[in-house]
Amino acid sequence: GAGVSQSPSNKVTEKGKDVELRCDPISGHTALYWYRQSLGQGLEFLIYFQGNSAPDKSGLPSDRFSAERTGGSVSTLTIQRTQQEDSAVYLCASSLRSGSSYEQYFGPGTRLTVT
Amino acid sequence: AQSVTQLGSHVSVSEGALVLLRCNYSSSVPPYLFWYVQYPNQGLQLLLKYTSAATLVKGINGFEAEFKKSETSFHLTKPSAHMSDAAEYFCAVSVSGNNRLAFGKGNQVVVIP
Repeated sequence: GAGVSQSPSNKVTEKGKDVELRCDPISGHTALYWYRQSLGQGLEFLIYFQGNSAPDKSGLPSDRFSAERTGGSVSTLTIQRTQQEDSAVYLCASSLRSGSSYEQYFGPGTRLTVT
Repeated sequence: AQSVTQLGSHVSVSEGALVLLRCNYSSSVPPYLFWYVQYPNQGLQLLLKYTSAATLVKGINGFEAEFKKSETSFHLTKPSAHMSDAAEYFCAVSVSGNNRLAFGKGNQVVVIP
């Protein structure tokens, strides 16, 4: 079946602009995660959804970052007033259920470059 | 909070030689442990996971890992490296009640022909 998909695959934006990153999880997966991968910081957790609710937003680096999930499916990560330090690969993952033992399936990522 | 240490960002191995990637974790409660592989410009793919059923875990592509509680380790091995094993490998930990994965810094594996 189809895996996790993310769009766009690459995004170049000017400093100060807003961007939206999209994630389509595997059908039927109730849990969805956003991570950020950068050279300096490695892989960092951003936010986790169970259904449409986000029980854990503690990884969002600032109030410029927000995310939502609708219909228990698609999720959008929004970064407002982008800064150069936001440049990174943003990875989305989904799992069948929430819970630490469940495997997380990752999408190919969105590479964000802020100029 | 749980954390993972992977030493040696770059690992070179000859084709046909043993692949050994070390992972040590820190957790105050029983952990769930994972190894992921990332090929260039791709997402992460699960190689194997430890969820307390068996301490020796076999994964895809001939990889296996052994959970050693006394050493707080979960090292990844493959008896004979193949050129297709060139990739970046990440160890990750999660604990019950905390759904996020905490990743190590990763090992970039280079296979020398």
